[in-house]
Amino acid sequence: KQEVTQIPAALSVPEGENLVLNCSFTDSAIYNLQWFRQDPGKGLTSLLLIQSSQREQTSGRLNASLDKSSGRSTLYIAASQPGDSATYLCAVRPRGDTGRRALTFGSGTRLQVQP
Amino acid sequence: GAGVSQSPSNKVTEKGKDVELRCDPISGHTALYWYRQRLGQGLEFLIYFQGNSAPDKSGLPSDRFSAERTGESVSTLTIQRTQQEDSAVYLCASSLSGSFTDTQYFGPGTRLTVL
Repeated sequence: KQEVTQIPAALSVPEGENLVLNCSFTDSAIYNLQWFRQDPGKGLTSLLLIQSSQREQTSGRLNASLDKSSGRSTLYIAASQPGDSATYLCAVRPRGDTGRRALTFGSGTRLQVQP
Repeated sequence: GAGVSQSPSNKVTEKGKDVELRCDPISGHTALYWYRQRLGQGLEFLIYFQGNSAPDKSGLPSDRFSAERTGESVSTLTIQRTQQEDSAVYLCASSLSGSFTDTQYFGPGTRLTVL
């Protein structure tokens, strides 16, 4: 059974710092990995989606990498801002479960950027 | 265009009562997913609809949970005889075709509290 772990569970940094969020998954048989941002009362916003054949994706100050063989992904946030404060969720689309299209999620990293 | 919408945003109910949660997917999206998020945890898959195919109900935690979808539009998740452990945020997502490479777009969720 696929399991997704995110470390750290919570992180507080001063504004302007570069930071890295970590995600690991136990089964490398995945179609893709997705990073989401969750704000209270606003559901999830998709940030980056990396297909299994890709190594990284970039969007603005965000860069996500994928090392499928080692079961790891990182989300790099450059020059953090208070508006980046949110919970960041990592999710994988398992390849083995052909009848299901659902994502398997980690528990998230709660990020607070101090002004 | 409009995103995924869910109603109600909050629901407080007494143990033993039935509740119905509603999801309006993005227009034109054929795939629809329900997830549950308990406090401090990641999202758990509940059920998946794809077009007119039989739904994937493998994530439903008990027979008190059921869901329906009319064609490619609105879906309702019903929880009968609610229990306190049903308290969670219930999130709905839709995607264009249900392809393994599709991005899932999430609604804001319904926060259910069972007293």
